[in-house]
Amino acid sequence: GAGVSQSPSNKVTEKGKDVELRCDPISGHTALYWYRQSLGQGLEFLIYFQGNSAPDKSGLPSDRFSAERTGGSVSTLTIQRTQQEDSAVYLCASSLGLGRGETQYFGPGTRLLVL
Amino acid sequence: AQTVTQSQPEMSVQEAETVTLSCTYDTSESDYYLFWYKQPPSRQMILVIRQEAYKQQNATENRFSVNFQKAAKSFSLKISDSQLGDAAMYFCAYRSSWGSQGNLIFGKGTKLSVKP
Repeated sequence: GAGVSQSPSNKVTEKGKDVELRCDPISGHTALYWYRQSLGQGLEFLIYFQGNSAPDKSGLPSDRFSAERTGGSVSTLTIQRTQQEDSAVYLCASSLGLGRGETQYFGPGTRLLVL
Repeated sequence: AQTVTQSQPEMSVQEAETVTLSCTYDTSESDYYLFWYKQPPSRQMILVIRQEAYKQQNATENRFSVNFQKAAKSFSLKISDSQLGDAAMYFCAYRSSWGSQGNLIFGKGTKLSVKP
């Protein structure tokens, strides 16, 4: 079946604008994760969803970041009032569930550049 | 908190030769999972191999195998008969088996080059 898809593939925006990043997980996967990959910080975990619920939002870097998931499927990561330090690749992953050792399958990421 | 360290920012191997990528981790847990992911220039993270900490036997997947030393908290990846398509960033990752979060903790990565 289809893998995890993300859109857009690349996004260039101006400082202060809002952006929305979309993730479409593998069909039937109930768990969904967002990570950020940047040169300085490596791969950081941002947030996860079990179904539509995100129990822990403490990984989000600031209150400018928010995420939602609807219908247990598509998720959107929104960054408000973007800053240059938000420039990074945002990766989404999904897994069948939160069971022990469930493998996470990644999408191709969205490369965000804030000018 | 758990940490993952990859001490080799870059490695190089001749085609058809064998290379070993190092990974160490720090945890106080006894049950966990370890992964190696490959990230080619396309950015897509691809699972290479996984290891359950409760299993003593080292995982293997075709040309890829690991040397899991639980007491030493070491998890190295061996690539045999290296191919040009193996060139990529390789990330070692840790996943706790406790709690409900399940997120991966990654090392900084090792960039592998394969010379023809």
